[in-house]
Amino acid sequence: AQSVTQPDIHITVSEGASLELRCNYSYGATPYLFWYVQSPGQGLQLLLKYFSGDTLVQGIKGFEAEFKRSQSSFNLRKPSVHWSDAAEYFCAVGHPSGGSYIPTFGRGTSLIVHP
Amino acid sequence: DTEVTQTPKHLVMGMTNKKSLKCEQHMGHRAMYWYKQKAKKPPELMFVYSYEKLSINESVPSRFSPECPNSSLLNLHLHALQPEDSALYLCASSQESLAGDEQFFGPGTRLTVL
Repeated sequence: AQSVTQPDIHITVSEGASLELRCNYSYGATPYLFWYVQSPGQGLQLLLKYFSGDTLVQGIKGFEAEFKRSQSSFNLRKPSVHWSDAAEYFCAVGHPSGGSYIPTFGRGTSLIVHP
Repeated sequence: DTEVTQTPKHLVMGMTNKKSLKCEQHMGHRAMYWYKQKAKKPPELMFVYSYEKLSINESVPSRFSPECPNSSLLNLHLHALQPEDSALYLCASSQESLAGDEQFFGPGTRLTVL
């Protein structure tokens, strides 16, 4: 069965510092991987996705993620964090179910940004 | 228009009330979803509609009743809810429901059951 592990519940960084959020997945076939961001009281917004091709994926808001099959990882990175990046981040793996393709989400990582 | 709208933003209801949540998108998407999200938890899938037909029901109690009147609208009818049903209810849509399709989420309805 597919699963997603986000080992860090909270991450605290200073504004301007670099960021890496970890995500490990378990899936039998080639995974379809996503990173979503959720600001307080809001819906989720897709940052980036991977399902084939270049293993380094560029997303919106200056984020990127690298797919490493050997490590079953899809870590999210940003070189310089802004205060507005404080939010909840969810990694997800897409899988087929009942004729549809749906995401299984990790538990989320809460990003705290200090000024 | 790349927006999914949800109404109302907030809803407070008693356990004997009947209410409905509404979701709308005008992106021509043919798949729509309902999720339930408790505080500090990831979204949990409830229902998937594909081409206006219910394709997935994740064993949701019958006090939640989804409806897809047309390809742009998705409703969630609520009846005899319990306090533990209090949560943020998120609607999402995607082009279809294929591998790699991006889901677009609405801002959610914050539901409180007294």
